[in-house]
Amino acid sequence: QLQLQESGSGLVKPSETLSLTCAVSGVSISNGGYSWSWIRQPPGKDLEWIGYIYHSGSTSYNPSLKSRVTISVDTSKNQFSLRLTSVTAADTAMYYCVRNSYSTSWYPDYWGQGTLVTVSS
Amino acid sequence: EIVLTQSPGTLSLSPGERATLSCRASQSVGSSYLAWYQQKPGQAPRVLMYGTSIRATGIPDRFSGSGSGTDFTLTISRLEPEDFAVYYCQQYASSWTFGQGTKVEI
Repeated sequence: QLQLQESGSGLVKPSETLSLTCAVSGVSISNGGYSWSWIRQPPGKDLEWIGYIYHSGSTSYNPSLKSRVTISVDTSKNQFSLRLTSVTAADTAMYYCVRNSYSTSWYPDYWGQGTLVTVSS
Repeated sequence: EIVLTQSPGTLSLSPGERATLSCRASQSVGSSYLAWYQQKPGQAPRVLMYGTSIRATGIPDRFSGSGSGTDFTLTISRLEPEDFAVYYCQQYASSWTFGQGTKVEI
């Protein structure tokens, strides 16, 4: 059964770097039929796509976050990661790791439970 | 960026009634690049529809999607108690963006 489990620091200071990891079980992250995303949702606000990565390491990022985001994949550990630099209070959100499937293009089809990250000094 | 606007913000209905949710895009997303998600309190979103009208695995046939271009609709033919939730549309034609959600409440 597919499981996506986010982990990482729940509290990050302003100007520092947010780092999260998503451990994938039930499917190989190297499976070319899927790609892997991060999506976030600030409290009481809309969902925002951060970016996604293919098993090859190729990435696509939200243009509004591109300068601060790095998504990487570790196929040996079957996990992928998010780094977001220079965080501010606006980056406080529930962060979801997501598996994408393909139908005319990639779309998110299975979401982890999410992890809350708060940016505060 | 393609902006998605969902309406209404809140839909107050009773079990057994029909729900019609709208999603309007600021520019065309074609006919195959729109998905719908359901989110219940404290849970992650769950995909209902993709490719505008394709039901995801395990989604009951009371859910249906339609539309093309800039106007899309999610219809729940007869509301069950477990259908009361927030629904989001998402386009994946150009980058990814989400609507602000429609809450379906009892």
